[in-house]
Amino acid sequence: QVQLVESGGGLVKPGGSLRLSCAASGFTFSDYYMSWIRQAPGKGLEWVSYISSSGSTIYYADSVKGRFTISRDNAKNSLYLQMNSLRAEDTAVYYCARVVHGDWYFDLWGRGTLVTVSS
Amino acid sequence: QSALTQPASVSGSPGQSITISCTGTSSDVGGYNYVSWYQQHPGKAPKLMIYDVSKRPSGVSNRFSGSKSGNTASLTISGLQAEDEADYYCSSYTSSSTYVFGTGTKVTVL
Repeated sequence: QVQLVESGGGLVKPGGSLRLSCAASGFTFSDYYMSWIRQAPGKGLEWVSYISSSGSTIYYADSVKGRFTISRDNAKNSLYLQMNSLRAEDTAVYYCARVVHGDWYFDLWGRGTLVTVSS
Repeated sequence: QSALTQPASVSGSPGQSITISCTGTSSDVGGYNYVSWYQQHPGKAPKLMIYDVSKRPSGVSNRFSGSKSGNTASLTISGLQAEDEADYYCSSYTSSSTYVFGTGTKVTVL
């Protein structure tokens, strides 16, 4: 069925790195822009990054620019988020979401993966 | 990019109508008809309820409707039901080719 499944979350020390993955199924992954969105515990949603269907266009939120890198492998139907120089404020559930390009909304979400940055 | 402003909480009795506002700027809400709304139940992923200001995805109840005036978008839930109790977030595309979410509104069904 049509779904997104995130993985790779866990506990990491401040300054450390982590790579999140999102496996897509049930739709033509290479046709869609994709995005990462996060939610700190008890807080609201925060957009993190998006990538175009080909990977040629990428945008980041100012809060993660220079530390996080979004990428995708269309042959593997997978989206990635490489997170470096992690801070306590990066602690959140990270959601993978499908973007409807041109109308600019998120029509399919994964269940999320929790990243905890703590010493 | 600052978060869009939503009321922290809104409540209503079953059957009533409630409206949640979402205020931004001319660089986001006011500049584009790319406002969307998401419903999130505790411990669950967000679910798309409205896109392009006022369009409803297939499967979403017609009790949910959206509108926009200037820099403020609104989500109205009519005929409030117990299952509507959740957090709601607005989102807008921005002039920087990025996205911004609202601060979130907790809807309580009395």
